[in-house]
Amino acid sequence: EDQVTQSPEALRLQEGESSSLNCSYTVSGLRGLFWYRQDPGKGPEFLFTLYSAGEEKEKERLKATLTKKESFLHITAPKPEDSATYLCAVYTPTSGTYKYIFGTGTRLKVLA
Amino acid sequence: DSGVTQTPKHLITATGQRVTLRCSPRSGDLSVYWYQQSLDQGLQFLIQYYNGEERAKGNILERFSAQQFPDLHSELNLSSLELGDSALYFCASSVRGQTNSPLHFGNGTRLTVT
Repeated sequence: EDQVTQSPEALRLQEGESSSLNCSYTVSGLRGLFWYRQDPGKGPEFLFTLYSAGEEKEKERLKATLTKKESFLHITAPKPEDSATYLCAVYTPTSGTYKYIFGTGTRLKVLA
Repeated sequence: DSGVTQTPKHLITATGQRVTLRCSPRSGDLSVYWYQQSLDQGLQFLIQYYNGEERAKGNILERFSAQQFPDLHSELNLSSLELGDSALYFCASSVRGQTNSPLHFGNGTRLTVT
């Protein structure tokens, strides 16, 4: 069964304390992996797309990487405004069509 | 701003009632997706439309239905509402029906059923 698992479920960091969020996936074929940021009561905001193992993307304090089984979202020297839930999703073929499968997210809290 | 517009932002209604949620996709996007997100739950895929036609169905209840109009806006109809239907409902759009481009989400409609 296609599955996307994110860990940890929740993470508390001090401002400036770097860390990584994990997104592991078990799918029949990966056509793309996406990272989103979601603030409370808002829609997910697109951050990155990764298409193949070894690919990396960066934006400000965030860096996303991809292997054949998982993706990491590295947060360098986070600030309180980075507090949010981070979601990953994979795009994969299934039953003659394609679908997006979302993980349940990592809730990140950065303390000043 | 993702470019996806959802109305209304908030909706409070009673059990047994029917409501309609509206979504306007980003300019140029032909595909619309509907998702439900309950408290502390992940995004649950409901249904996808591409250029006016239903393309895929997820965990959508029979009490729920949707359509996409010629101008590409979409509506999600929820009927015989139950307390458990209280959730955030998100619409997302992408350029084509089957593509590995990212989804772009609106800010959702918060539905409260009392």
